[in-house]
Amino acid sequence: DAMVIQNPRYQVTQFGKPVTLSCSQTLNHNVMYWYQQKSSQAPKLLFHYYDKDFNNEADTPDNFQSRRPNTSFCFLDIRSPGLGDAAMYLCATTPTASTDTQYFGPGTRLTVL
Amino acid sequence: GESVGLHLPTLSVQEGDNSIINCAYSNSASDYFIWYKQESGKGPQFIIDIRSNMDKRQGQRVTVLLNKTVKHLSLQIAATQPGDSAVYFCAEGDTGFQKLVFGTGTRLLVSP
Repeated sequence: DAMVIQNPRYQVTQFGKPVTLSCSQTLNHNVMYWYQQKSSQAPKLLFHYYDKDFNNEADTPDNFQSRRPNTSFCFLDIRSPGLGDAAMYLCATTPTASTDTQYFGPGTRLTVL
Repeated sequence: GESVGLHLPTLSVQEGDNSIINCAYSNSASDYFIWYKQESGKGPQFIIDIRSNMDKRQGQRVTVLLNKTVKHLSLQIAATQPGDSAVYFCAEGDTGFQKLVFGTGTRLLVSP
């Protein structure tokens, strides 16, 4: 059974049109992450939540926002997508700060037209 | 900044061979290391991890070796199969902080 679920798997949006990607987890993990991964590159951390505490990476553009309304769900909002934001967006979770294995979802492939 | 890098961007092997994927890390404070396998269009899949108090850990057909002296990590895959073809990422972390730093990835190509 899927433990980290991302919807949709494929998302197409227009340049400048806001888009929201979602992630849910059935693991009851405290920590949730959003990564951006471009072709043939390693995942790049955008931000993470430890419970309700939001932690933004210093180089994450303001265009990217996140919400975590409850333990199970986390959203990535891209306010004004540019062509350079086309990428795979990965959600990951881990139980607590003292446990390090991150479990990834299948990703959402974002296309910006 | 800290970085994790791989020596070989692409590794081609024959089915049945043993594969070795290497990774160099630069943060001597890292105490946790992990290997992920990523198939095309999918999220990274956990393979095996190791903590800094160990130098070897074995799983099913996979072994991770950690050499802290030279800051080197390797993933050995025994009897490589076509289904092992993927990109492999190493990552390092700090057990207290929960942020992983990923290496650049190695593509493993397995020929029948």
